[in-house]
Amino acid sequence: SQKIEQNSEALNIQEGKTATLTCNYTSYSPAYLQWYRQDPGRGPVFLLLIRENEKEKRKERLKVTFDTTLKQSLFHITASQPADSATYLCALDLTGANNLFFGTGTRLTVIP
Amino acid sequence: ETGVTQTPRHLVMGMTNKKSLKCEQHLGHNAMYWYKQSAKKPLELMFVYSLEERVENNSVPSRFSPECPNSSHLFLHLHTLQPEDSALYLCASSRGDSGDEKLFFGSGTQLSVL
Repeated sequence: SQKIEQNSEALNIQEGKTATLTCNYTSYSPAYLQWYRQDPGRGPVFLLLIRENEKEKRKERLKVTFDTTLKQSLFHITASQPADSATYLCALDLTGANNLFFGTGTRLTVIP
Repeated sequence: ETGVTQTPRHLVMGMTNKKSLKCEQHLGHNAMYWYKQSAKKPLELMFVYSLEERVENNSVPSRFSPECPNSSHLFLHLHTLQPEDSALYLCASSRGDSGDEKLFFGSGTQLSVL
């Protein structure tokens, strides 16, 4: 069945380092992929969207890559800070109906 | 604030109760969604409304009944729930017109079924 996999349930890194999170999918190649941040007890908050014809997207300390051949997206946070600690979710349309399906998320902890 | 408000934030109900979750968006969006989030599982898409019409019902049991009276309001009516229905229920909205826009989520209703 089609699914989205975020390969690390949890990731701990030292403050100042770059965090890299992975999202793999098994569906047909979607037109776009999104990344969200979720804090405990809150709803997800949109961070970045990358389209199939874009290799890379940046926003401040965030960078997303999208490899439709590998069916993979990488999400990078450079110069990480303790405030970046949260769960990060990738999301894409698995059915072509423009409805978003989410991965299980990676819980990132940035250690001071 | 995301512009999407959900009430109540917390709800405890027995298996024989009937309750409703409410969602309101102040963003002028045309599409609204219900998601369920259980521990260790990905968000599950339950229902999608576009321009007040249901366009997706993702094999959800009939004990969950959505209602979308207008493009700003969305309800989820609950009856005869099971303990495994305990979860965080999230409402979201989007512009709904280009197919690739982001979702704006509310803070969710944490539901416990006893």
